[in-house]
Amino acid sequence: DSGVTQTPKHLITATGQRVTLRCSPRSGDLSVYWYQQSLDQGLQFLIQYYNGEERAKGNILERFSAQQFPDLHSELNLSSLELGDSALYFCASNPSDVSGTGELFFGEGSRLTVL
Amino acid sequence: AQKITQTQPGMFVQEKEAVTLDCTYDTSDPSYGLFWYKQPSSGEMIFLIYQGSYDQQNATEGRYSLNFQKARKSANLVISASQLGDSAMYFCAMREGFRGGGNEKLTFGTGTRLTIIP
Repeated sequence: DSGVTQTPKHLITATGQRVTLRCSPRSGDLSVYWYQQSLDQGLQFLIQYYNGEERAKGNILERFSAQQFPDLHSELNLSSLELGDSALYFCASNPSDVSGTGELFFGEGSRLTVL
Repeated sequence: AQKITQTQPGMFVQEKEAVTLDCTYDTSDPSYGLFWYKQPSSGEMIFLIYQGSYDQQNATEGRYSLNFQKARKSANLVISASQLGDSAMYFCAMREGFRGGGNEKLTFGTGTRLTIIP
């Protein structure tokens, strides 16, 4: 158990709909990262928040948005869903300090299926 | 240019044999970190091993070792005495710059699917 909690674990919805994925980082971790993994693909970086502020942005679609709240949990909002948005969405967290290796601790992912 | 390249989409290895998974990287930053993660069929991402760019020795963690060749920009993962439970996707990843202060974003390769044959 990495300590990162993602909900829901599975989600099935229709094209054009909007969904929200939620992530609770490990206790004390300031950074939250969102990654998208399409079928048999690598992990594509979407966006990172550090202590409530957006820190880095990847190839995130304009239909997608995210935020990190004062309690450091994060939500990823996906709107106007298309078939190609079907993927496993990972949240990861990290304490963002100079100790340790700097590894990311991943949640179990939210598997989104768009029909 | 790809920052992380894994050229082996799939590998089949006999149980108990050693296996090397290839990873090359591209960065102009003198400070970086290299990571390997395992993703079994259940889907979770499991951290295996880390190598910092300034580390003098190759990293080892149990049956995992990282063959770090800085001049060649390669960071191959070596698994000794492979087991059936090693069957999974393996991803190489890189962090550019010093860690800390929110600079821990990882860029991942496309992965290698390893299958251990009994």
